[in-house]
Amino acid sequence: AAGVIQSPRHLIKEKRETATLKCYPIPRHDTVYWYQQGPGQDPQFLISFYEKMQSDKGSIPDRFSAQQFSDYHSELNMSSLELGDSALYFCASSFLKGRGNTEAFFGQGTRLTVV
Amino acid sequence: SQELEQSPQSLIVQEGKNLTINCTSSKTLYGLYWYKQKYGEGLIFLMMLQKGGEEKSHEKITAKLDEKKQQSSLHITASQPSHAGIYLCGADMGSGGSNYKLTFGKGTLLTVNP
Repeated sequence: AAGVIQSPRHLIKEKRETATLKCYPIPRHDTVYWYQQGPGQDPQFLISFYEKMQSDKGSIPDRFSAQQFSDYHSELNMSSLELGDSALYFCASSFLKGRGNTEAFFGQGTRLTVV
Repeated sequence: SQELEQSPQSLIVQEGKNLTINCTSSKTLYGLYWYKQKYGEGLIFLMMLQKGGEEKSHEKITAKLDEKKQQSSLHITASQPSHAGIYLCGADMGSGGSNYKLTFGKGTLLTVNP
C-alpha cells in the first residue's frame, strides 16, 4: 500500500540558508500535518492543511511557511536556518472529510542538519 | 508541563515476557493514538481509541482507553525482539473536531532481550 512519501530523507544546510521539505500524502488523503522532532524529544505539531487550506497552527516559527498544493502535496519552507532547527521533520496525512477523528499515517521523515 | 505523561520512560524485558506502557492525561482525550518509532525513523501507526472503555488488539498488542478517557494502556503479550522501539502515545487535546493536531507523550523506550 502507498505510504506518505517525504523528500529528501536527509538534508544538510548551513546557518542562514533556506530549506524546502516536501511531503506527498497517501492518495485520496485530504489532510497533511507537519511535525518537528528534536533529538530525544517528542514530535511537536507545526502546522496542518485540510483541502489545501491551513487548518491549524502549532509552534511553527515565523521563519517557516508551508502550503498544500492542488495535488495535495505539501511543502515546508524554512528560511534563515538556525542550528536549533536541526531535527527530524515528519509529515503525516489522513482522510478527514465527513469523518471525526481518524488515524494519521506518518512518513519516514526528513532529517535536517544545520551546520 | 507535559500534557501527556507516559510511563515508564524506558523498559527492558526478557523475550517472552508481558509488559504494559501507560499514557495519562489530566484532560479528556478525544482520540488516543499509539505509534511505534524506531530510532530516527518514521512513526508507525498502531491503534486509535476514541470511546471510553474501548479496547483494541492487533497481533500481540492490546490497547485500552479507560472509561473517563484520561488514561490508556498498551499491553504487549509474549514480547519479541521485533517489539523493541519507542512507543509514543498521541492525543487530540482539543475539542475533538474534524481537524486535529496531536500532542505526544515523551515516549517509552522498549528493549527486548533475547
